[in-house]
Amino acid sequence: GQQVMQIPQYQHVQEGEDFTTYCNSSTTLSNIQWYKQRPGGHPVFLIQLVKSGEVKKQKRLTFQFGEAKKNSSLHITATQTTDVGTYFCAEGSARQLTFGSGTQLTVLP
Amino acid sequence: EAQVTQNPRYLITVTGKKLTVTCSQNMNHEYMSWYRQDPGLGLRQIYYSMNVEVTDKGDVPEGYKVSRKEKRNFPLILESPSPNQTSLYFCASSLNPTLSTDTQYFGPGTRLTVL
Repeated sequence: GQQVMQIPQYQHVQEGEDFTTYCNSSTTLSNIQWYKQRPGGHPVFLIQLVKSGEVKKQKRLTFQFGEAKKNSSLHITATQTTDVGTYFCAEGSARQLTFGSGTQLTVLP
Repeated sequence: EAQVTQNPRYLITVTGKKLTVTCSQNMNHEYMSWYRQDPGLGLRQIYYSMNVEVTDKGDVPEGYKVSRKEKRNFPLILESPSPNQTSLYFCASSLNPTLSTDTQYFGPGTRLTVL
């Protein structure tokens, strides 16, 4: 599968601050999926973006897919301690998910 | 309850001792897959199966085998484990592998240590 680069690798924020993680690809992505993995847990599907320029919201989470379909972002507004975990982007195909390396979010109370 | 189960959840073994990690799903999913997760590398696919008796290599298949004799089960076999296979392993399944919008459901993970 093609490479999906994700930054930053780690992010520490104070509770109430915002958080953003970015995924980039050198080639056009067919879609982007976002997963959250709590410490000690397994990846859990959050959302999928398919269309160019698509923006979706889930409460305090905002997901964007770039116009060129080569990048995506996940933004969390006013983080809470329950947001702690690693966030992965992944491109899905009929055969596999190609994951970014993930961003590990720590929220300090 | 719809779920993907893996056994064992934790395993410590020695180099060369054959082992099998089982994976089972109760959602009648056609597609199943194995990933390994290592720090800084995200999740990398080992093998996948599009349906019964149909399996194929993922990105890191060396040292692993799989089989898909039944729809619900997809065991991962390490014939001769080595220390570089120490990792966290996840099984996943999805309903329709022909759809690029298909989403995957992950099992709880198996933490394997090979001494």
